[in-house]
Amino acid sequence: GAGVSQSPSNKVTEKGKDVELRCDPISGHTALYWYRQSLGQGLEFLIYFQGNSAPDKSGLPSDRFSAERTGGSVSTLTIQRTQQEDSAVYLCASSQFENQPQHFGDGTRLSIL
Amino acid sequence: QQPVQSPQAVILREGEDAVINCSSSKALYSVHWYRQKHGEAPVFLMILLKGGEQKGHEKISASFNEKKQQSSLYLTASQLSYSGTYFCGTEILVYGNKLVFGAGTILRVKS
Repeated sequence: GAGVSQSPSNKVTEKGKDVELRCDPISGHTALYWYRQSLGQGLEFLIYFQGNSAPDKSGLPSDRFSAERTGGSVSTLTIQRTQQEDSAVYLCASSQFENQPQHFGDGTRLSIL
Repeated sequence: QQPVQSPQAVILREGEDAVINCSSSKALYSVHWYRQKHGEAPVFLMILLKGGEQKGHEKISASFNEKKQQSSLYLTASQLSYSGTYFCGTEILVYGNKLVFGAGTILRVKS
């Protein structure tokens, strides 16, 4: 079946602009995660959605970052007033339930000029 | 909170073995292992739950020492395809069901 789909694959924008990154998880997966990976670095947790529960936003680095998940499926990560330090690959993952293997999308490479 | 992985990098020749360690200062509920090849998404290898069980996946296996809050990934008779960065992700229940990943171990297998 289809894997986790992320769009766009690449995004170049000017400092100060807002960006929206989309994640389409595997059908039926109840858990959805967003991570950030800077060049040569590890995976930084951003936010986690599980079913209809309130999301765990503890990893969001500032109030410029927000995310929502509509209908328990597609998720959008929004970064407002982008800064150069926001440049990174943003990865989305989903799992059937919590504590299950996470399946990653190919990521969105975000470059802030 | 972030688990510590060691070594940071290792170079092997085909057929050699390697061990990658992942240690936490907090009591762990589970440890996940993933491999990421350059320019690709991380790929799941295995999950270990507290209880010290060892799991295997082809010639890659892992153990979880609950008392030491440590997991080790064992790669035996390494192949060129094993090259990549290995990440452990730790789940600490008090922090919820999110994974906190280590900084990664770069593994390069040479022919």
